Amino acid sequence: GENVEQHPSTLSVQEGDSAVIKCTYSDSASNYFPWYKQELGKGPQLIIDIRSNVGEKKDQRIAVTLNKTAKHFSLHITETQPEDSAVYFCAASRMDSNYQLIWGAGTKLIIKP
Amino acid sequence: SAVISQKPSRDICQRGTSLTIQCQVDSQVTMMFWYRQQPGQSLTLIATANQGSEATYESGFVIDKFPISRPNLTFSTLTVSNMSPEDSSIYLCSANGGNEQFFGPGTRLTVL
Repeated sequence: GENVEQHPSTLSVQEGDSAVIKCTYSDSASNYFPWYKQELGKGPQLIIDIRSNVGEKKDQRIAVTLNKTAKHFSLHITETQPEDSAVYFCAASRMDSNYQLIWGAGTKLIIKP
Repeated sequence: SAVISQKPSRDICQRGTSLTIQCQVDSQVTMMFWYRQQPGQSLTLIATANQGSEATYESGFVIDKFPISRPNLTFSTLTVSNMSPEDSSIYLCSANGGNEQFFGPGTRLTVL
């Protein structure tokens, strides 16, 4: 079945440095790729998403890139801050599949002061 | 974006009992979803709930164990029936706003 692999499982970076999280999907028909941030004790929060007709999208310090040929997409966070510490999940879906999301395993991002 | 609330936020229950979790959305939505998340793990979809029709359950989840109601376009409930300690988890409600999916804060369930 459809699968999304996410790496790394844990990422520790110095405050101010950049962080990159990578995901690979198996279903070539996937066309919507959201990223979620989940803080302890809270539900996942949508932080950015990208559709398959776009190669890159940026929102302030956060950017997502998509390579449809290789079937992978990445989250880039620049100038990391302590409040970026959280678990990040990638997901993929086909917009004709009732929006069901296939989830990655998650990345715990730790920002070291 | 949609704002989603869940009740209760947490509960401790005895095995063999049932708990109903409520999910309220601040706008009308077509699709609502119920997930389970074990601590430190990713999200597992339990079922999709559409207004006016039976919920669609994922493999490994059955209606007798997790009955779902969807009486209108802003509300849904999930019942965890005949609970066992293995049902201890976080239960999350979500809803679609366009192509985007938004989540409630979750219900942390502990079964003793």
